[in-house]
Amino acid sequence: QKEVEQDPGPLSVPEGAIVSLNCTYSNSAFQYFMWYRQYSRKGPELLMYTYSSGNKEDGRFTAQVDKSSKYISLFIRDSQPSDSATYLCAMSLNTGNQFYFGTGTSLTVIP
Amino acid sequence: EAQVTQNPRYLITVTGKKLTVTCSQNMNHEYMSWYRQDPGLGLRQIYYSMNVEVTDKGDVPEGYKVSRKEKRNFPLILESPSPNQTSLYFCASSATGAVLGYTFGSGTRLTVV
Repeated sequence: QKEVEQDPGPLSVPEGAIVSLNCTYSNSAFQYFMWYRQYSRKGPELLMYTYSSGNKEDGRFTAQVDKSSKYISLFIRDSQPSDSATYLCAMSLNTGNQFYFGTGTSLTVIP
Repeated sequence: EAQVTQNPRYLITVTGKKLTVTCSQNMNHEYMSWYRQDPGLGLRQIYYSMNVEVTDKGDVPEGYKVSRKEKRNFPLILESPSPNQTSLYFCASSATGAVLGYTFGSGTRLTVV
């Protein structure tokens, strides 16, 4: 069983839709949770990070962590064509250096 | 501009011919890391470094070497590349490890024939 599971999609939505991206994980010791966005032919860029459970909001993006269910989500409101990318979740046990990434979900927002 | 620079961007080589992929960051970050990205497998960590002369294995270190002689540079060395090392490679750096995440380079597409 992989440490982190993520549905690869692809996911295609119309502009303005609310998008929900999800990851599940098996290691209950994970404490740091991140979402990265990766455009085609580019390296991943950090979108949001959270510590432990709860919600975090940044503009149109909301990250949600449910440690009891070992489930994290990224919500995108009012999705735009510029949001078309692959979204990767990542997790870490501590403030150290080892991350565990999901395989990524490909999102296309259609104008 | 704060960035992680990898070279080359694209490389085609033959089995067994030693190669080095360079990585440099201008943000004075302590942590640096190498990942490979493969379809269906996602990003997997090869090696990481928490400071000069401090390196450790990630999840898939076999067939790779690294060195960290200076804070800004973290080259990835393939002593004897094999076709199963054909992949997209990313170098990344961070000031604080997991807490604030990594800044990634633009990637190196390596093909070993």
